Amino acid sequence: AQKITQTQPGMFVQEKEAVTLDCTYDTSDPSYGLFWYKQPSSGEMIFLIYQGSYDQQNATEGRYSLNFQKARKSANLVISASQLGDSAMYFCAMREVTNAGKSTFGDGTTLTVKP
Amino acid sequence: DGGITQSPKYLFRKEGQNVTLSCEQNLNHDAMYWYRQDPGQGLRLIYYSQIVNDFQKGDIAEGYSVSREKKESFPLTVTSAQKNPTAFYLCASSTGHRRTEAFFGQGTRLTVV
Repeated sequence: AQKITQTQPGMFVQEKEAVTLDCTYDTSDPSYGLFWYKQPSSGEMIFLIYQGSYDQQNATEGRYSLNFQKARKSANLVISASQLGDSAMYFCAMREVTNAGKSTFGDGTTLTVKP
Repeated sequence: DGGITQSPKYLFRKEGQNVTLSCEQNLNHDAMYWYRQDPGQGLRLIYYSQIVNDFQKGDIAEGYSVSREKKESFPLTVTSAQKNPTAFYLCASSTGHRRTEAFFGQGTRLTVV
């Protein structure tokens, strides 16, 4: 069973608007971390934001915020005030404590920001 | 500056040949990982290592081999047994703790000719 599900293969957003990228996960481990990465066309993976399973508050990093709903097992990424440079592929990933530090990645969402 | 260096950036392999992809890190990270990415898809784990002289198979290890003789280095060999090796390969490292992100190299694009 897939542990990370990103149901949006592609998304479009108008410049300066906000966009939400969906991520749901599956785990029986009570201790885990959730990550979002950005992959521009150059191929490098850029870390954006982290949410721990025991964190009480939703994580924020500049224009990025994570809408963490633990009971629903969802960790959606919200990008505010989209910029043209945000056009890229975005991956949600999970690391479980009982899984030897390995990260499992979703299939990604391609975001296109329109001018 | 600390980081991860992968080389080469582009690699061409003839069918039946083994090739080795280099991955070096100077972040003093214990854990290192190799991922494969096919066009338009996510990352799949090939091998990972949590400590020197030890490594484990990931989800798609068949046709690949690794070594971890030094903390800084985790080379990946794509053997002739890998039937469809054309892909983008990413190396990563982390402290191994669940709260810390992985740092990635720039990737190696391997093409079979």
